[in-house]
Amino acid sequence: KNQVEQSPQSLIILEGKNCTLQCNYTVSPFSNLRWYKQDTGRGPVSLTIMTFSENTKSNGRYTATLDADTKQSSLHITASQLSDSASYICVVSDRGSTLGRLYFGRGTQLTVWP
Amino acid sequence: EADIYQTPRYLVIGTGKKITLECSQTMGHDKMYWYQQDPGMELHLIHYSYGVNSTEKGDLSSESTVSRIRTEHFPLTLESARPSHTSQYLCASSEGQAATEAFFGQGTRLTVV
Repeated sequence: KNQVEQSPQSLIILEGKNCTLQCNYTVSPFSNLRWYKQDTGRGPVSLTIMTFSENTKSNGRYTATLDADTKQSSLHITASQLSDSASYICVVSDRGSTLGRLYFGRGTQLTVWP
Repeated sequence: EADIYQTPRYLVIGTGKKITLECSQTMGHDKMYWYQQDPGMELHLIHYSYGVNSTEKGDLSSESTVSRIRTEHFPLTLESARPSHTSQYLCASSEGQAATEAFFGQGTRLTVV
């Protein structure tokens, strides 16, 4: 069964600190992995997208890594800001169908305190 | 910034009413999707479309229906709303192969009382 598991479920850190969010998946055949940021009551906004051959990708203070062999990904946030408080969702796409089905994790709820 | 729009953003409606949630995108994307998301839970695909006159049901069973008469427009309709339909509904679009980006609208928060 294709699944995406994220950890931790929630995380509280102080402003300025770094943190790392984890994503494990069993989706096969794998096409790509995306990290989205979702503010409360809003739609998800893409942070990074990585294909099979990419190991790391950065977007400002966000750096995503991918290990396609172990089927693990991480999202590292550097020098956190209050505006980073949101849910971070790992989404994996398969290439076994024309649609390119998206499989969503439940997200990690990050809260940044001043 | 993605050019995909949902209206209304919030809707509170009585049981038994018919409602239509609007979704429009100006990017010319062929693929469009509707997801349902409860608080703290993952998104579940309820409908998708490959293009005009193409609609399919997703993984999560839903009493809603969709139509795709124009490329840019993908409305979702509930003929008779019930409290169990209370949820957030997210519309998304993408183009081409699976590696391309999926853009999401801001969502519609539906409450049926």
